[in-house]
Amino acid sequence: GQNIDQPTEMTATEGAIVQINCTYQTSGFNGLFWYQQHAGEAPTFLSYNVLDGLEEKGRFSSFLSRSKGYSYLLLKELQMKDSASYLCAVGKAGSYQLTFGKGTKLSVIP
Amino acid sequence: DVKVTQSSRYLVKRTGEKVFLECVQDMDHENMFWYRQDPGLGLRLIYFSYDVKMKEKGDIPEGYSVSREKKERFSLILESASTNQTSMYLCASSPPATGELFFGEGSRLTVL
Repeated sequence: GQNIDQPTEMTATEGAIVQINCTYQTSGFNGLFWYQQHAGEAPTFLSYNVLDGLEEKGRFSSFLSRSKGYSYLLLKELQMKDSASYLCAVGKAGSYQLTFGKGTKLSVIP
Repeated sequence: DVKVTQSSRYLVKRTGEKVFLECVQDMDHENMFWYRQDPGLGLRLIYFSYDVKMKEKGDIPEGYSVSREKKERFSLILESASTNQTSMYLCASSPPATGELFFGEGSRLTVL
């Protein structure tokens, strides 16, 4: 099975940097995904890591360490519109399934 | 622009009713999924399909069934709705090469 942990809530200030951590335990691994979900809306894809290291995409970066079962999403130059839930998801080896964590609700304050 | 369309945004049904949730995607994706999302529990996979007429159980299939008669359409069926199936239901599709999911807007089902 798969077990995914991420903080329930975080608060950060506009313009700052925030790091959202995700740890996972899995019997098979086929990549780690991050999704963003604004309240009342569908999740949208942010990033995908299958190899160790950092993937940068504009203000957002995602890091993966497979040996540690650990990932983080880094958001720089926070904006009010970044207030949303951030979902960590692990791909199951040999399958198209994604298993999601419970999500981290990020509140950006002025 | 990619599109996953769910037939109903809001439904209210009574206990014991049969409920159909329809999902259509226009991206020619092989893989389609049904998730439910509940506060404090996150997104949980109910069923998925990687081809027409193929289906696989996810983590919480009990009380649900699915149908995939055409590549673009994936239906979720609640044979006899119960109050514990009150939830937000999200359909998604993905191409075979990646696991990236494209989600529909969701169907909020209330069972009274």
